Amino acid sequence: GAVVSQHPSRVICKSGTSVKIECRSLDFQATTMFWYRQFPKQSLMLMATSNEGSKATYEQGVEKDKFLINHASLTLSTLTVTSAHPEDSSFYICSASRTGGTSGNTIYFGEGSWLTVV
Amino acid sequence: QQQVKQSPQSLIVQKGGISIINCAYENTAFDYFPWYQQFPGKGPALLIAIRPDVSEKKEGRFTISFNKSAKQFSLHIMDSQPGDSATYFCAASNMKHGGSQGNLIFGKGTKLSVKP
Repeated sequence: GAVVSQHPSRVICKSGTSVKIECRSLDFQATTMFWYRQFPKQSLMLMATSNEGSKATYEQGVEKDKFLINHASLTLSTLTVTSAHPEDSSFYICSASRTGGTSGNTIYFGEGSWLTVV
Repeated sequence: QQQVKQSPQSLIVQKGGISIINCAYENTAFDYFPWYQQFPGKGPALLIAIRPDVSEKKEGRFTISFNKSAKQFSLHIMDSQPGDSATYFCAASNMKHGGSQGNLIFGKGTKLSVKP
């Protein structure tokens, strides 16, 4: 089946530094990937839509200069949290849209990345 | 109109019982309705999904019932097991247009506990 891989699964960084999270579709090409943030015991909140070869589309209230998204290839999107602060500590999850097939488009999620800013 | 309302917020079921989680949506352009299962500290895993051209889809112990006229869909877990204890999210999307309109709108989740 389709697999979406996220790396790192856990990361601790110092306040003021930047951290990059990678999202890869392992056995399919994804022209569209999505980045979510999830707080404990809450639902997923869409941060941005990442489109291969073009700029990401950010949801209202999400700072595009703080959360840099690069979709450099059909299998890789990266989220960089710049100048991280403790309030950025959260669970970040990516998903990738697999197009076509007998079931039509399907969305698969990565395992998520825990970010702790100290 | 983008909301997906999910209920109940939490559910306790005895082992072997049926777990039922309901979702309702407003946007008639939605054409993809997946259910995700999420264990603590893990990303959501696609459980089962349905498209509006069918009223029911069954995969093993998991069944989605879809009522297009009522704009509702539900997940039924038959013979619930303690290993099914997790948070379940329903979602909806307009997949035909892809891109930003293909993103999933999630319900708030249901925490299921299956007691031995």
